[in-house]
Amino acid sequence: ILNVEQSPQSLHVQEGDSTNFTCSFPSSNFYALHWYRWETAKSPEALFVMTLNGDEKKKGRISATLNTKEGYSYLYIKGSQPEDSATYLCGIIQGAQKLVFGQGTRLTINP
Amino acid sequence: DADVTQTPRNRITKTGKRIMLECSQTKGHDRMYWYRQDPGLGLRLIYYSFDVKDINKGEISDGYSVSRQAQAKFSLSLESAIPNQTALYFCATSGTVNTDTQYFGPGTRLTVL
Repeated sequence: ILNVEQSPQSLHVQEGDSTNFTCSFPSSNFYALHWYRWETAKSPEALFVMTLNGDEKKKGRISATLNTKEGYSYLYIKGSQPEDSATYLCGIIQGAQKLVFGQGTRLTINP
Repeated sequence: DADVTQTPRNRITKTGKRIMLECSQTKGHDRMYWYRQDPGLGLRLIYYSFDVKDINKGEISDGYSVSRQAQAKFSLSLESAIPNQTALYFCATSGTVNTDTQYFGPGTRLTVL
């Protein structure tokens, strides 16, 4: 069973501060990594899909990096705003072609 | 109109009852998925289908069955509901490339008493 670990499980950050969290996964048979943002009472929405070692993606104040050799990805949020409060899900595709999610990092931005 | 719809949105049922959750999509995607979400456990895959003739078990398929009636429709059934199947259920769709993102429905909150 593919084990995808996200840390920390929850995080409280002051508005305006920057933050980051981690997704760890087995490096063998890696195909793709997906990041999703999930706001309370809404559906998860895709942020990034990453495939190449060293890949970096950016969308506004949110960015992500990928290290497939050591099996981790970081998600960064610069200058956190209250609307960034959400659960951030990481999912991995290996050879079996199905997406396996970690348990998520729940981010709360304190005004 | 939403690209991925789920019915019902909320359902309360009793132990032992049969219940069906339905998912429809207008994105023209071949791949469809059913997940359940429990607090602290993220999204866990129940079943997935890569096309109308393809059905695969996910991580937690016991107690569930599915039917892919058409490219646009994928339903999840609980033959005899039990309380530990109380959860939030999501349907999702994607294109055929593994780098295609998944598009999620609004979720169905199921409570089994």
